[in-house]
Amino acid sequence: AQSVSQHNHHVILSEAASLELGCNYSYGGTVNLFWYVQYPGQHLQLLLKYFSGDPLVKGIKGFEAEFIKSKFSFNLRKPSVQWSDTAEYFCAVATSGTYKYIFGTGTRLKVLA
Amino acid sequence: NAGVTQTPKFQVLKTGQSMTLQCAQDMNHNSMYWYRQDPGMGLRLIYYSASEGTTDKGEVPNGYNVSRLNKREFSLRLESAAPSQTSVYFCASSEWNEETQYFGPGTRLLVL
Repeated sequence: AQSVSQHNHHVILSEAASLELGCNYSYGGTVNLFWYVQYPGQHLQLLLKYFSGDPLVKGIKGFEAEFIKSKFSFNLRKPSVQWSDTAEYFCAVATSGTYKYIFGTGTRLKVLA
Repeated sequence: NAGVTQTPKFQVLKTGQSMTLQCAQDMNHNSMYWYRQDPGMGLRLIYYSASEGTTDKGEVPNGYNVSRLNKREFSLRLESAAPSQTSVYFCASSEWNEETQYFGPGTRLLVL
C-alpha cells in the first residue's frame, strides 16, 4: 500500500538553527509532492510543491525541498528558522493518475526564541 | 473570496446523535475532500469528490456519508455518532485531483 513517512515527530530548535525534516514515500509511479504547514490554531496551507522539472523547489518564507527520486524522498529544509516557524509540518503525496492523496503523520516543530 | 468555509466550528454530540458538517468553496474547484485529523495520525481521508456528481470512499469512510450537493458544496454526515468520531474535521478543495489542496478552518467535534 502507498504510504508517506515522516520520521521526526517532534523537533525543537533554537532560532537561527538550520532545519531539515524528512519525508519518504512508497510508490513507484509518478507523484506530485507537497509540504503543508499548520500554524497553531489555523488550517493547513501550502508551503511548497513539486510536480516536475527542477527537483529543488523553493516555497514561501524561505523554505525549500529537494526531490530525490532514487531515494523516494522529499525533505524540507530551511537554513535559519525563526520563532514564527513554530508549527506542524505535513508532507503529502498525490499519485498521478489515481485519486490517492496521502498525508504523512506530521512533524511538530517548536522554535525557541 | 472566502476560500473554503466550514460550519459549525465546534460541536458537541451525544453518542447516537446525527449531524451534518457543511463545507463550501468559492474557487470553482472541481475536487473536494473530507479529512479527519487525530493526534499522531496526520490527516486521513474520509471521502472525496473528484468532480461534481461523484463521490468515493477514502481511507476511513465507516460511519460517514457525504453529499456533493453542487460544485460549491460538499457535506459530511454522521448518522449515529460514536466517541471514536471525536476529531477535528477538515474540508479541502482543489482545482482537480492531485493538485494543491485548499483547506477550510476545521470543525472540532466532541462525541460524548
